[in-house]
Parts: sequence; C-alpha cells; structure tokens
Amino acid sequence: DAEITQSPRHKITETGRQVTLACHQTWNHNNMFWYRQDLGHGLRLIHYSYGVQDTNKGEVSDGYSVSRSNTEDLPLTLESAASSQTSVYFCASSDGRVGEQYFGPGTRLTVT
Amino acid sequence: GQQVMQIPQYQHVQEGEDFTTYCNSSTTLSNIQWYKQRPGGHPVFLIQLVKSGEVKKQKRLTFQFGEAKKNSSLHITATQTTDVGTYFCAWWNFNKFYFGSGTKLNVKP
Repeated sequence: DAEITQSPRHKITETGRQVTLACHQTWNHNNMFWYRQDLGHGLRLIHYSYGVQDTNKGEVSDGYSVSRSNTEDLPLTLESAASSQTSVYFCASSDGRVGEQYFGPGTRLTVT
Repeated sequence: GQQVMQIPQYQHVQEGEDFTTYCNSSTTLSNIQWYKQRPGGHPVFLIQLVKSGEVKKQKRLTFQFGEAKKNSSLHITATQTTDVGTYFCAWWNFNKFYFGSGTKLNVKP
C-alpha cells in the first residue's frame, strides 16, 4: 500500500545545530508540503513543492529550507535550530494541487 | 487580509448529543476542506466542498458550504466516543494552504 513516512519520529537537538527531517511518500504525488503544529496555532505551512526542483515558501518559512530532487522525498532542513522551532512537524502529499492531502505520522522536535 | 475564524475552540458533549463546528471567513473562499485529527495522531482528510450552497453527508457527518462561500460547517449527529479529536477546516488562498485553529471535541460516554 502507498504511504507517507517521516523520520525520525522524535528528535532532541541543541540550539544552533543543523537538523534535517525526512519525508518519503510512495503515492507518486507531485505535491508535497511541510507543516508545523503548535498549541494555539493549529497547522502552519512551512514550505511546499509542486514537483521535482520546485520549492515554494509557506506562511512560516524563515529558518527552514527544502529541496526536491526526486518525486518521493522532500527533506526539511533547519539551518540553525532555535528553541522557537520546538514543535511537531507534519509532512503531507497530494495528487492535485488543491486536492486532499495525505499526512505522515509527524516528527516531534525538541530544541534545547 | 483574509481572516478565517473557527468556532468553538472546545466542545464537550455527552455521547449521543449533536456537535457542530463552524468556519467563518471575511472573504470568499474558492473551496474548503475538513480534516480530523485524533489525539496523538495526524490530520486525516474528511471532505472537500467547492460549490456555493453545497451539502455533503458521510454517515453521521454533514458538511455545508455557505451560499456566499464565506462560511462552512461540520455537523455530527449523535456523537460517539470514536468522534473524539480535533476538527480543522482548511483552505487555499493565493497559492498557500491554511488551516483553521481547530475545534477540539470531547465526548463523554
């Protein structure tokens, strides 16, 4: 069965370190998204991609970057982790640009 | 800019009671989606509404999109403990996807 996976599921890192969160989907979807979820803010879009070599900034992109070298993967990099980036991160993919999104299980990131 | 408010923030009901959550926008929405997130889980797509005045049903769940496409609602008839979770509306605006703040539903058995 097609699926979307994220790794690691939990990560603790120190302030200033570079961190990369992985997202892999086997739906063969062109569109992939990264969100963060914080209490009181719901889900907020960080970056998204409509296909290989395409990346776009979302609502809260500062301090994050993504790259899309193939259809299946959209890794999210925190250039220099900050305590404000402690959050749960969800990756999602969709077939149509405005269609339903399929979410991964999430990564809980703690920056100390 | 566009503002979308989702209410209520929390709802506690007795099993068997009905539940409704609303999303109200200050501007017209092209479409709206609804997601459910169980405690500790990830959002799961429920429905997408596109047409003015659209009503869709999924068993005990009824989704509506207002005539002016500025508001939407999700109604659950006779809640069950399996309905526990947070319900989010979501929408596209200027090539970015946004989620409402969510309504957290708790159902007492």
